[in-house]
Amino acid sequence: DQQVKQNSPSLSVQEGRISILNCDYTNSMFDYFLWYKKYPAEGPTFLISISSIKDKNEDGRFTVFLNKSAKHLSLHIVPSQPGDSAVYFCAARALYSGGGADGLTFGKGTHLIIQP
Amino acid sequence: GAGVSQSPSNKVTEKGKDVELRCDPISGHTALYWYRQSLGQGLEFLIYFQGNSAPDKSGLPSDRFSAERTGGSVSTLTIQRTQQEDSAVYLCASSLWVTEPQHFGDGTRLSIL
Repeated sequence: DQQVKQNSPSLSVQEGRISILNCDYTNSMFDYFLWYKKYPAEGPTFLISISSIKDKNEDGRFTVFLNKSAKHLSLHIVPSQPGDSAVYFCAARALYSGGGADGLTFGKGTHLIIQP
Repeated sequence: GAGVSQSPSNKVTEKGKDVELRCDPISGHTALYWYRQSLGQGLEFLIYFQGNSAPDKSGLPSDRFSAERTGGSVSTLTIQRTQQEDSAVYLCASSLWVTEPQHFGDGTRLSIL
């Protein structure tokens, strides 16, 4: 069963507008969440993280929102730039609760395309 | 280099052969992880090292897969008697401590003929 789900395989956004990428999870033990960006033939690059004691974390153009009751998180990118075109992965782990493996559980990714 | 280094970047081998994949983590990082990404799938966790020990081997798909880490640094992932379903990109990541974000290498693309 898929414990981390990214239901949109792709998303197209105009340059300068806001990109919103969504992620849902099912495991209530997850307490630490990360977003990674991946270009073809490269490894994932860490973008931003959030722990379950917060509901928002911001870093420059990137903001992650966490809704624990809905088991939902989202990544907002504003303004979107052409270099943001990539595959974005949501990942989760039970870091502080210790209820799971020490590896990350990843979604299948969303391909973000920024249109000029 | 400053990042996680993996070798080889590409490996093509015949079914039934053994393969060894290498990961050189960021200097000073105590935690090391192996993942694999099959076509159209997300990353799948394989194994985690803290120092030289592997407290979590839960993700290894079969007993044909093994990994070791020596000197708290370089790690090798070995796949014995490879099968076609082993074809994937194998990614290594490291983090300063287990509580820190993981940083990934560019992976080894493994193709089993």
